[in-house]
Amino acid sequence: SAVISQKPSRDICQRGTSLTIQCQVDSQVTMMFWYRQQPGQSLTLIATANQGSEATYESGFVIDKFPISRPNLTFSTLTVSNMSPEDSSIYLCSVGWDRGRETQYFGPGTRLLVL
Amino acid sequence: ILNVEQSPQSLHVQEGDSTNFTCSFPSSNFYALHWYRWETAKSPEALFVMTLNGDEKKKGRISATLNTKEGYSYLYIKGSQPEDSATYLCASNYGGATNKLIFGTGTLLAVQP
Repeated sequence: SAVISQKPSRDICQRGTSLTIQCQVDSQVTMMFWYRQQPGQSLTLIATANQGSEATYESGFVIDKFPISRPNLTFSTLTVSNMSPEDSSIYLCSVGWDRGRETQYFGPGTRLLVL
Repeated sequence: ILNVEQSPQSLHVQEGDSTNFTCSFPSSNFYALHWYRWETAKSPEALFVMTLNGDEKKKGRISATLNTKEGYSYLYIKGSQPEDSATYLCASNYGGATNKLIFGTGTLLAVQP
């Protein structure tokens, strides 16, 4: 298992600004993921954070809007850039050792409201 | 487009009642099915990962079954307690080019004391 912390836990931001969310894991993990849950919607994968290289983005998500860093095996950041009210969501970090048949462990999420 | 459906959207039960909810998913190229419990302001907690048709898993008063041929899973809670109040999420994975968790929108359970 893994214990994951995220900072900040919540924030209220003005449109046009950017917010960086941090994800810290208590042990080295193979895979780190970033998800978003917009109001009333399902959890949706934004990207896979790759250590030492560019993240792999899912369809509909781009690096300019959601730059991701992963400098080592226990830490990653997600930036939400040039925010608009549509970016108001819960953003979650998760980790795992396999994409499909192993459990993914989630952080507590960052609740973002953009005014 | 792969779509995972959960029903009902929300459920209110009395303490002591037993309840169940459904997760429906495309059965073609199925790889794994995950169940999570998500309480407000906490991390989603993994309950089960199921892969084989006919799988049944149990954790305390919570159990789950899996039918990969028809594409559904049931989650059962026996003798619901107020601390069971949470959103229950399922997610399916298809491996290959779609090797990621695809989540349903969840079932919100409220257990009244």
